[in-house]
Amino acid sequence: DAGVIQSPRHEVTEMGQEVTLRCKPISGHDYLFWYRQTMMRGLELLIYFNNNVPIDDSGMPEDRFSAKMPNASFSTLKIQPSEPRDSAVYFCASRSGTANYGYTFGSGTRLTVV
Amino acid sequence: AQSVTQPDIHITVSEGASLELRCNYSYGATPYLFWYVQSPGQGLQLLLKYFSGDTLVQGIKGFEAEFKRSQSSFNLRKPSVHWSDAAEYFCAVGPYNNNDMRFGAGTRLTVKP
Repeated sequence: DAGVIQSPRHEVTEMGQEVTLRCKPISGHDYLFWYRQTMMRGLELLIYFNNNVPIDDSGMPEDRFSAKMPNASFSTLKIQPSEPRDSAVYFCASRSGTANYGYTFGSGTRLTVV
Repeated sequence: AQSVTQPDIHITVSEGASLELRCNYSYGATPYLFWYVQSPGQGLQLLLKYFSGDTLVQGIKGFEAEFKRSQSSFNLRKPSVHWSDAAEYFCAVGPYNNNDMRFGAGTRLTVKP
């Protein structure tokens, strides 16, 4: 298995532009999580899905952020419009629904908004 | 309140020396406990986990951790550190809301030659 795959690895965009981050979870994993990592706030859970359904989006910072999971093998996190304070590393993680809470993380997308 | 605390932001050890990274938690029941490692530019990799049973847990890369309920701790140890162990280490506790984990702020490990 190739693990959790995120794209792009790096994204530099101008303030006000739309940004879309992508994630392919491990096949068979029915939970998918989006995290944001910054020096100031550490790892923050933004949203997670179970069987493609958003379960808890209370960590999404504001309406500029949205996430979708149209099928079991693909999820997107969109920021529109982007702002400099959105600059961070965004991680996707997945896990199996069986009683194993160990997540598998992707390599992350480093977003820089200038 | 449920929380995870890693008291040490940064630790420096010499190669070959022993290592202990601290993790304390506040949780209303028996938690699931994890240690992850993050190398620069990489995602988090699971080192080990504790669910129940033997309180001393063995993980990958020669790491181990001990769950001490009386101290609400889950400290990570390694008898002899290698230069390649330099990384950020995260303790995590769950589940919250039946599914989520909470991560500590991380401890950055520097290994001196």
